[in-house]
Amino acid sequence: AQSVTQLDSQVPVFEEAPVELRCNYSSSVSVYLFWYVQYPNQGLQLLLKYLSGSTLVESINGFEAEFNKSQTSFHLRKPSVHISDTAEYFCAVSELGRSNDYKLSFGAGTTVTVRA
Amino acid sequence: DTGVSQDPRHKITKRGQNVTFRCDPISEHNRLYWYRQTLGQGPEFLTYFQNEAQLEKSRLLSDRFSAERPKGSFSTLEIQRTEQGDSAMYLCASRRKGGSKVTGELFFGEGSRLTVL
Repeated sequence: AQSVTQLDSQVPVFEEAPVELRCNYSSSVSVYLFWYVQYPNQGLQLLLKYLSGSTLVESINGFEAEFNKSQTSFHLRKPSVHISDTAEYFCAVSELGRSNDYKLSFGAGTTVTVRA
Repeated sequence: DTGVSQDPRHKITKRGQNVTFRCDPISEHNRLYWYRQTLGQGPEFLTYFQNEAQLEKSRLLSDRFSAERPKGSFSTLEIQRTEQGDSAMYLCASRRKGGSKVTGELFFGEGSRLTVL
């Protein structure tokens, strides 16, 4: 079974400053990795994903994440945050369940609060 | 709107009452998932369906919980004799079967928040 560890539960950051959210997973097999974002009182939205190929993946709103197989990490970064990036961010790994189909396992989440 | 929809968005109930949540997945998605999210935690897998068949249930799903997807379209999650510990956000998600990349990526609804008094 997979496990996902998000090392920071709360990350306060000033507007226009960079931010990094750390995510580590445990696995001995190939994985698919995801970052989801949850704005207040909303459901989860996919931010970006790593399936294969280039280890650096980007989202349309300036976030990027790098898959590091040797360190089993998938950290999320943004060089300059906006107030609107205030949200909760979840790292997730896709794993095969008992029914031989994929399901997502999530980390506990990191709350990002952007201040002016 | 062709996203995943959930109803009701909020439910407040007294301990011991039964509650039912409904999820309508994206129309061409044959896989449907239920997750539970408590305060300060990430979503935890409860159960999932392929069409009308319930293929897997988490140990988190006690006997008071039952989920159905009778016609392979919408799904219901019923909680009987609710307890205060059942207070949480119940998330529904869906995805297509197969395709060129079977990765587990899910599309989530906005959730149904349950408060048990």
